[in-house]
Amino acid sequence: AQSVTQLGSHVSVSEGALVLLRCNYSSSVPPYLFWYVQYPNQGLQLLLKYTSAATLVKGINGFEAEFKKSETSFHLTKPSAHMSDAAEYFCAVSSTSYGKLTFGQGTILTVHP
Amino acid sequence: AAGVIQSPRHLIKEKRETATLKCYPIPRHDTVYWYQQGPGQDPQFLISFYEKMQSDKGSIPDRFSAQQFSDYHSELNMSSLELGDSALYFCASSQRTGGGFAEAFFGQGTRLTVV
Repeated sequence: AQSVTQLGSHVSVSEGALVLLRCNYSSSVPPYLFWYVQYPNQGLQLLLKYTSAATLVKGINGFEAEFKKSETSFHLTKPSAHMSDAAEYFCAVSSTSYGKLTFGQGTILTVHP
Repeated sequence: AAGVIQSPRHLIKEKRETATLKCYPIPRHDTVYWYQQGPGQDPQFLISFYEKMQSDKGSIPDRFSAQQFSDYHSELNMSSLELGDSALYFCASSQRTGGGFAEAFFGQGTRLTVV
């Protein structure tokens, strides 16, 4: 069984500041890990994925995440927040490359001018 | 590029009625997934199909059924609707055949409101 815990349901940053969204996972097998972004009343868009290749994964819109097995973490970062980054972010885990996704509770990112 | 198409985008039904949600996957995608996202909740996996056969089942109520048709589109049928069924229903598709990583692409969702 797998699970994902996102620490912090709301994160607020100033424009230009570092964005750090935390995700810890639990998995009995080597996991596939994902970050998705959801804008209001929109579908889920894949930001980046970890598929057991490089532990530092770069995604779209300047986001990146680092897989740390020892910490069972997959935190999402962006060096400089932009107003357009305001959205809800979901971390997700899967046990296969094609299987169902188990999502975390989501983190709402607010960006202040 | 073609995306996952869901219809309708919005649906209002009364309690105890029936609803049918449709999903048209990206061309050549052979796998469809259904997720339910309640208000303020994370998406919950309901069911998936691979090559028209059910491949996995999650927390889908017995009142719900789904299938994938010969043209790979899928329908989620929901009967005896309850207020608690009000949610955003997402469909996602991927191409599993051929090996490798099968990224799931999500549709815009169908917002079901039960009154």
